Amino acid sequence: ETGVTQTPRHLVMGMTNKKSLKCEQHLGHNAMYWYKQSAKKPLELMFVYNFKEQTENNSVPSRFSPECPNSSHLFLHLHTLQPEDSALYLCASSQEGPNSGGAYADTQYFGPGTRLTVL
Amino acid sequence: AQSVTQLDSHVSVSEGTPVLLRCNYSSSYSPSLFWYVQHPNKGLQLLLKYTSAATLVKGINGFEAEFKKSETSFHLTKPSAHMSDAAEYFCVVSDQGGNKLVFGAGTILRVKS
Repeated sequence: ETGVTQTPRHLVMGMTNKKSLKCEQHLGHNAMYWYKQSAKKPLELMFVYNFKEQTENNSVPSRFSPECPNSSHLFLHLHTLQPEDSALYLCASSQEGPNSGGAYADTQYFGPGTRLTVL
Repeated sequence: AQSVTQLDSHVSVSEGTPVLLRCNYSSSYSPSLFWYVQHPNKGLQLLLKYTSAATLVKGINGFEAEFKKSETSFHLTKPSAHMSDAAEYFCVVSDQGGNKLVFGAGTILRVKS
């Protein structure tokens, strides 16, 4: 679990605030992911980065803005969020990204998450 | 498109008794299948992974799962539940091309003393 770290662990923000979530992986992986986990809903994939390039945006509203400066760091910039955006945001990494040509999926390793509350 | 159904939203067992968490998947190809566990206020931890090497997959903490293609199932079992097993468990299937994971809705396991 310590292979992927996330900060902060808890965040409370107003709808007019701007904040950022940070994820760092210490596993030497090439792909990183943001997921949203809401109560009573399956885990939702938000973004995928492979070798620092965004390869997936799962119809996420523009008030969520990801940034991947290198293969070890991933940010999620938040602005003008809505109360329904309150959730646990999970970061994950894997050795290879989607469509890497492998026959089977690489294991994704998850961070502990950031519990976000939007007031 | 691939999908996964966890047949029970909640399972309650007594400590020391067997655990069975059921999962059915839908896929048009040979999928990768995973079980993850999430303890309260924690991230997801990989329990085990199937990639066709063997139909019976052994994981951490005494868990195992059997891939049954004819039944499109990947049920998770453990012979004897421990209090520390209380958590939420997710069955996951990968998409074709790999690494886009589709998660089930989760099964909350309660272990009674």
